[in-house]
Amino acid sequence: GENVEQHPSTLSVQEGDSAVIKCTYSDSASNYFPWYKQELGKGPQLIIDIRSNVGEKKDQRIAVTLNKTAKHFSLHITETQPEDSAVYFCAASSFLSGNTGKLIFGQGTTLQVKP
Amino acid sequence: KAGVTQTPRYLIKTRGQQVTLSCSPISGHRSVSWYQQTPGQGLQFLFEYFSETQRNKGNFPGRFSGRQFSNSRSEMNVSTLELGDSALYLCASSGGTAGNTIYFGEGSWLTVV
Repeated sequence: GENVEQHPSTLSVQEGDSAVIKCTYSDSASNYFPWYKQELGKGPQLIIDIRSNVGEKKDQRIAVTLNKTAKHFSLHITETQPEDSAVYFCAASSFLSGNTGKLIFGQGTTLQVKP
Repeated sequence: KAGVTQTPRYLIKTRGQQVTLSCSPISGHRSVSWYQQTPGQGLQFLFEYFSETQRNKGNFPGRFSGRQFSNSRSEMNVSTLELGDSALYLCASSGGTAGNTIYFGEGSWLTVV
């Protein structure tokens, strides 16, 4: 069935260092890959997304890469700051007919940025 | 522009009772989906509604149901509550100029005692 594996489950970095979170998906029909940041007591906040016709996308300190052949996608955060500390989730979806609202999520990565 | 709004934010129910949660999507969004988040199972898809019709359903028992109204607002209902239903229930919406991008609300925290 559909599955998304996310690693690592926890990640601790020093302020200013880079952080990388990796995900692997199983459904070859997946063509949309969003990343969400969830802070304590809040809902998931979309931080960046990528579609299958693009290999890389950047937004300031955040970038996402996609390797469709290997079914891998990764989140890269550069120059980390303490406010980046949160739980990060990757997800995959297939925008085939009628499937737009269903996301399959990874297990989450707790990122701690030490000042 | 207002985000996805969920009510109530917090509630406590007793086993065997039923609960109804409400969601107002972002203006212009016609797709509303619901997710359950627990420490053990993570984020799991419950169902999606589009134009008042259920378009997709996850692997949850029939005690979990939902509906969507003509203004795209949605409700989900859980009947005969069990302790294991304690979770954060998240509503998400998409559509309009956002296309397939999915935005989440802050969630409704349900505790079953």
